[in-house]
Amino acid sequence: DVKVTQSSRYLVKRTGEKVFLECVQDMDHENMFWYRQDPGLGLRLIYFSYDVKMKEKGDIPEGYSVSREKKERFSLILESASTNQTSMYLCASSPITGGPTEAFFGQGTRLTVV
Amino acid sequence: AQSVTQLGSHVSVSEGALVLLRCNYSSSVPPYLFWYVQYPNQGLQLLLKYTTGATLVKGINGFEAEFKKSETSFHLTKPSAHMSDAAEYFCAVSGYGGATNKLIFGTGTLLAVQP
Repeated sequence: DVKVTQSSRYLVKRTGEKVFLECVQDMDHENMFWYRQDPGLGLRLIYFSYDVKMKEKGDIPEGYSVSREKKERFSLILESASTNQTSMYLCASSPITGGPTEAFFGQGTRLTVV
Repeated sequence: AQSVTQLGSHVSVSEGALVLLRCNYSSSVPPYLFWYVQYPNQGLQLLLKYTTGATLVKGINGFEAEFKKSETSFHLTKPSAHMSDAAEYFCAVSGYGGATNKLIFGTGTLLAVQP
């Protein structure tokens, strides 16, 4: 089974802190994604990466950055956390197959910024 | 641009009743469509997917969905709801864009099952 592991299930951080959310996948997938989930808004794509050191902005990249130094690891960084970044963050991965394919998700990190 | 619209943010059914969750898509190319389920405090789990071929797709836990191109719909159904089906359900379309195949999600439908 594909396993996508997010380092924390719950995090509480203070406004202005630099926050790192870590994600590791064990299936050698090329693609990795960070989504944010908010009630009534569904999942919105923050950033994605299709290769090591490659990244592209999603729909809501403001206030976030990412890092992919190794194929299996994709980190989301909140440079200066703000209360409006309180949310559920979901990491996902998928292979490159030559066509669209499903993504496999981690358990999520519920981040609270106080 | 591709998008999906889920009609009804909350649906409530009685145990044993039919479950119908609605999803309409917009796509300028043949779409790949997915339904995911999210149980409380969990990540998303794939229920089923439509790529090509048979338009009636069967998934896990007794769910199925039918791709109707003429109606641009991909509604999710289950003949008889079980208490364990209470969860949030997301419809998604796969975006075409280089090699990335990112998923574009609807806003979700929260299913409640009453005893």
